[in-house]
Amino acid sequence: QVQLVESGGGVVQPGRSLRLSCAASGFTFSNYAMHWVRQAPGKGLEWVAVISYDGTNEYYGDSVKGRFTISRDNSKNTLYVQMNSLRAEDTAVYYCARDNGHFGFCDYWGQGALVTVSA
Amino acid sequence: EIVMTQSPATLSVSPGERATLSCRATQSVNNNLAWYQQKPGQAPRLLISGASTRATGVPARFSGSESGTEFTLTISSLQSEDFAVYFCQQYYNWPRTFGQGTKVEIK
Repeated sequence: QVQLVESGGGVVQPGRSLRLSCAASGFTFSNYAMHWVRQAPGKGLEWVAVISYDGTNEYYGDSVKGRFTISRDNSKNTLYVQMNSLRAEDTAVYYCARDNGHFGFCDYWGQGALVTVSA
Repeated sequence: EIVMTQSPATLSVSPGERATLSCRATQSVNNNLAWYQQKPGQAPRLLISGASTRATGVPARFSGSESGTEFTLTISSLQSEDFAVYFCQQYYNWPRTFGQGTKVEIK
């Protein structure tokens, strides 16, 4: 069965960096685009970024463009997001999610990793 | 950016009753619309894609429809496990955008 497990969350000071990872299993990772979606405490969902199956194309939400970088290592079945210049408003649970295959919707989701940006 | 607006914010429904949730887009999304269900402390779960296609394993009491830029998720007879928050998402344009959610609570 499809499994996505995020790691790397924690508390970080404003202006600092953090990298999240998402380990995938149960499907052929290299065949699928992958997303990051976040959810601030008590709020709705915000799409963050997507990367193509081979890593050659990336798209970002406006609020993270220029600060976050999505990447993947298909040899390790792992998705990443490098988050730089973190702000308090980046505090959220970050979910990785599998794309349906056409840069579309998210058909499977991980359980999320909490990132707290605080001094 | 396409803005997705869901209504109502909260819907109070008795078990066994019908629930109708709405999602409106500020421009055409060409039926590239998904619905997700999220229960407290859990990740979202895909319910519907393409405005009306149920995901694998989703009960038939969930149905989706569209009329131009208006989309509807209907739960025909609410079960206890259906009380949750529901989000719509467009995947037609960049950036992908979600509605703010509708909470379906027990009346």
